[in-house]
Amino acid sequence: EVQLVQSGAEVRKPGQSLTISCKGVGYNFATYWVGWVRQMPGKGLEWMGIIYPRDSETRYSPSFQGQVTISVDKSISTAYLHWGSLKASDTAVYFCARHKTDSFSDAFHMWGRGTMVTVSS
Amino acid sequence: SYELTQPPSVSVSPGQTARITCSGDALPKQYGFWHQQKPGQAPVLVMYKDNERPSGIPERFSGSSSGTTATLTITDVQAEDEADYYCQSADSSGNYYAFGSGTRVTVL
Repeated sequence: EVQLVQSGAEVRKPGQSLTISCKGVGYNFATYWVGWVRQMPGKGLEWMGIIYPRDSETRYSPSFQGQVTISVDKSISTAYLHWGSLKASDTAVYFCARHKTDSFSDAFHMWGRGTMVTVSS
Repeated sequence: SYELTQPPSVSVSPGQTARITCSGDALPKQYGFWHQQKPGQAPVLVMYKDNERPSGIPERFSGSSSGTTATLTITDVQAEDEADYYCQSADSSGNYYAFGSGTRVTVL
């Protein structure tokens, strides 16, 4: 079955670092853009950034540039979202999602189930 | 950062038609995409490249785009269509994407 499998819920304190993951299963991971979307409690979807695993080309929303790092290890079909220093305002559900084709001009047609990140002292 | 504007809510009776708009300056040159999200679930793509329907999405969902406005239309609305709907499109240079603010569709 083709799917995106996300890592489990995390709880951290402000100032700590964190990396969450998204593993592509059942398809050629290297040839489809994979992105990350934030959803803060009770709020809407926010497009954070995206990566093309084959060559690691990465694009960020200006709102998230410098706040997070998106990376990939195509040898294990896994994308990552990393924070160097978490803030309480990073508390949210984070979805990974994959484009329908290998084109950037496309949509997220497959979604992971989301990873809940809680940042609290 | 690029902004896409949607009405916060749309209410419609079963069997009627719901129209959800999305306004953005780059829409004349960028595709519009639409996602449906029900409470506690991941979003689901219901429309891509303005008016293409993914497999498995009912024919009552349709899309269009004209000028700076993209529109998702749901005809013969069913109770199960009650959800939040988000448009998605790229900025004018096509470098990154943004989501609209979301529209809650309530079936009366």
